[in-house]
Amino acid sequence: KNEVEQSPQNLTAQEGEFITINCSYSVGISALHWLQQHPGGGIVSLFMLSSGKKKHGRLIATINIQEKHSSLHITASHPRDSAVYICAVRKGGGATNKLIFGTGTLLAVQP
Amino acid sequence: DTEVTQTPKHLVMGMTNKKSLKCEQHMGHRAMYWYKQKAKKPPELMFVYSYEKLSINESVPSRFSPECPNSSLLNLHLHALQPEDSALYLCASSQAGSINEQFFGPGTRLTVL
Repeated sequence: KNEVEQSPQNLTAQEGEFITINCSYSVGISALHWLQQHPGGGIVSLFMLSSGKKKHGRLIATINIQEKHSSLHITASHPRDSAVYICAVRKGGGATNKLIFGTGTLLAVQP
Repeated sequence: DTEVTQTPKHLVMGMTNKKSLKCEQHMGHRAMYWYKQKAKKPPELMFVYSYEKLSINESVPSRFSPECPNSSLLNLHLHALQPEDSALYLCASSQAGSINEQFFGPGTRLTVL
């Protein structure tokens, strides 16, 4: 079993819909990252959070440390949001910034 | 400047060739990373440099040789690669220390013939 699980693996939405992607992890963490990767492209860091909630534009990320769960929400989705969204966690403790990645959620937003 | 740049964007090489991938950042970050990403898979960590010293080698074969000549540059030297090494190679950087956001470059798409 992976230490970081994402759901769903694939998601198709209509433009304008509210989207939620979930991430569950089984280890103690010091931080959780949400990343975006367009097909064939590099990775963009969307959020890094260790508690509570963060918002940037139409994107909202929440984390519940007790339940070991995080969600990424996209409001008023747009076709340009189509990408792979990756959850990654940094295990608690240690001096290095090593990330454990989930397998990603492929999002397709149709016009 | 909040960018990590990587060159080349694409590289095709034979199994007997020697080539290098280059990564550069000017954000003052003192930690730099190499990742390998196969299609439809998450990135896999290869190496971490902290203050220009190799701090993590994830049991990467010796045909991959990293180098950090200064705090802004990270190279990955390639020699005698195999076709299964074909992948997207991503570089990232962050502030040194344990909990810092990593900034990723656009990657180099490597094909080994």
